Amino acid sequence: DGGITQSPKYLFRKEGQNVTLSCEQNLNHDAMYWYRQDPGQGLRLIYYSQIVNDFQKGDIAEGYSVSREKKESFPLTVTSAQKNPTAFYLCASTRGAGQGRPDTQYFGPGTRLTVL
Amino acid sequence: AQSVAQPEDQVNVAEGNPLTVKCTYSVSGNPYLFWYVQYPNRGLQFLLKYITGDNLVKGSYGFEAEFNKSQTSFHLKKPSALVSDSALYFCAVRDPLYNQGGKLIFGQGTELSVKP
Repeated sequence: DGGITQSPKYLFRKEGQNVTLSCEQNLNHDAMYWYRQDPGQGLRLIYYSQIVNDFQKGDIAEGYSVSREKKESFPLTVTSAQKNPTAFYLCASTRGAGQGRPDTQYFGPGTRLTVL
Repeated sequence: AQSVAQPEDQVNVAEGNPLTVKCTYSVSGNPYLFWYVQYPNRGLQFLLKYITGDNLVKGSYGFEAEFNKSQTSFHLKKPSALVSDSALYFCAVRDPLYNQGGKLIFGQGTELSVKP
C-alpha cells in the first residue's frame, strides 16, 4: 500500500447524498485508476487518468465522477445517481500507461462505502 | 475480447504442502500477466508479473508463476504453503496492443485457505 493513501477508510452515506473519496500518491506516477470491488466479482474499472486534467471512463462509470487537477490527487465522487454504491473502492497508480508499457499498478488501502 | 478466468473460488491446502492457484486468460496479442494478493479489508499487494522472456517468474514471499502460452495459463505456485498465505488472490491481464490507459482485466479471485 505504500505511497498511495485513501481516505476515509470507512464511509457511510445516506441515500441521495453525494460523497467524495480521496486518493493521494507520492510516487510521482502519471496514471491513476479507480476500481470497485464487490464480493465474487473481482475488480471493475470506474475511471482512469493518464495525465493531469484528463480522464477517461472505465467499464462502470455511470453514477461516478472524477477530477485530476494535480498529478498526485485523483478524487472520486459517488453521486446519488449510482444505484448500488455499497462496495469497496480501490485507487491505484502506475508510472506510465502508454501503449506497450508493462508498468505495475500499485494499490491504496481502499475505502469501504456503505449506504444506510 | 480480453478476459481472465480463475476457475476455483476456493483452494484449501495443508501447511507445508505445495499450492497452486489457477489462472487462464484470453487476449489478442502477447499478454502482460500479473498476480496480486489481498488480505481482509486491505488493498491489493503486487506479487509478480510476466512481461516476456523466461516462462517461470519468481516473485515476493516465495511465490512463482509459470506462463504457458499454448495453454493460455499463468498459474501461481509455492512449494511450501504457510498459514499466513491465507488470503484472496487475483490474476490480471493487460493486452499491450490495446492501450486503454493501462487497463487491467481481473479474474474474480481465488480464496486460499492454508490449515495448520
